[in-house]
Amino acid sequence: QVQLVESGGGVVQPGRSLRLSCAASGFVFSRYVMHWVRQAPGKGLEWVAVISYDGYNEDYADSVKGRFTISRDNSNDTIFLQMNSLKLEDTGVYYCVRGSSGWEYWGQGTLVAVSS
Amino acid sequence: IVMTQTPLSLPVTPGEPASISCRSTQSLLDSDDGNTYLDWYLQKPGQSPQLLIHTLLHRASGVPDRFSGSGSGTDFTLKISRVEAEDVGVYYCMQRIDFPLTFGGGTKVEIK
Repeated sequence: QVQLVESGGGVVQPGRSLRLSCAASGFVFSRYVMHWVRQAPGKGLEWVAVISYDGYNEDYADSVKGRFTISRDNSNDTIFLQMNSLKLEDTGVYYCVRGSSGWEYWGQGTLVAVSS
Repeated sequence: IVMTQTPLSLPVTPGEPASISCRSTQSLLDSDDGNTYLDWYLQKPGQSPQLLIHTLLHRASGVPDRFSGSGSGTDFTLKISRVEAEDVGVYYCMQRIDFPLTFGGGTKVEIK
């Protein structure tokens, strides 16, 4: 069955960096676009970034452009989110999502807390 | 594209119908393929979001047929024909016709 397992979250000070990972299994990973979506505490969903199936194309929300980088390793069925220059407003649960016609598969999320 | 959902909160009675509206600032109809790229998600308390409806009106696998999606262009509706207790949570619409992808603010459905 399809599984997406995020890791790498934690508490970090403003201005520091963090790298999230999402390990995928149960499907042919290299055939799918992948996304990161986040949710601030008590707030709604916000799309963060997308990466093409081959890793050559990416796009980002304006709120993270220039600070976050999405990447993937198709040999190990994993995507990453490198988050630099973190801000207080980056706090939230980060979900890894498999792209398709409708996002049927989401990970359980990993919590990032930016705090001084 | 800004997505606006109404209402913010929706108290419902089990067995009764319910309806959530979603409006976009641009048409979500792709004139090339005729698809309308509007999806609906439900986030139950403490869980990751789950797909209900994709591409305007297509129910996801395993979603009960009491859920239906409709609309066109910039105005969309999610209907629950007979609400059940398990339907509580926050419902989100999302457009995926153009980047950045955007969600509505959410509608919290709770039992009266």
